[in-house]
Amino acid sequence: AQTVTQSQPEMSVQEAETVTLSCTYDTSESDYYLFWYKQPPSRQMILVIRQEAYKQQNATENRFSVNFQKAAKSFSLKISDSQLGDAAMYFCAYRTDGSGNTGKLIFGQGTTLQVKP
Amino acid sequence: SAVISQKPSRDICQRGTSLTIQCQVDSQVTMMFWYRQQPGQSLTLIATANQGSEATYESGFVIDKFPISRPNLTFSTLTVSNMSPEDSSIYLCSVSGVQREGLLQETQYFGPGTRLLVL
Repeated sequence: AQTVTQSQPEMSVQEAETVTLSCTYDTSESDYYLFWYKQPPSRQMILVIRQEAYKQQNATENRFSVNFQKAAKSFSLKISDSQLGDAAMYFCAYRTDGSGNTGKLIFGQGTTLQVKP
Repeated sequence: SAVISQKPSRDICQRGTSLTIQCQVDSQVTMMFWYRQQPGQSLTLIATANQGSEATYESGFVIDKFPISRPNLTFSTLTVSNMSPEDSSIYLCSVSGVQREGLLQETQYFGPGTRLLVL
């Protein structure tokens, strides 16, 4: 069975600085998707970024980028120029290999990010 | 992303009663999922709501306790039956396979959640 591990329960970063959140996963599949979700205190889960395993190029969305190391089964999230609005709980998630769109998400334990002004 | 609404947003219930949570999406979707989340913790999948057939439950969750309906491609309900204080949690609806141009099919989008407190 697939597992997702986030080893950092809490992280903090100074405003305008860069922070990296770690995520590792275990799977025997070769094709899959990885995601980072953000959950601010209001609880609405928001997609930050996603990575297809078959793509070698790391995904980037504005200030957010990932370092995807398929062989090492590592999927870290880098937040550049951190802003106060980035403070939230971040979840790494793995999408199981389901036919069509039936794949389920497996979540890590989450990392709470604090941004200091 | 898809606009997903949940009703109620929060509720306080007495033990032994049941609560039905509604999830409405503004587009047709292939898959709908129900999760449970304790505050400050990760998400646990309860079941996958299948349109026109019985839901698929994860280990540890049963239909008698969490009956689910999905009458069409935009709506689902989750009932928490015979509630106890241990059912106090946040319940989240999510969808994938959103049938709208520009949205990623394999990505799950989440509703705002329903915060339930059982006394």
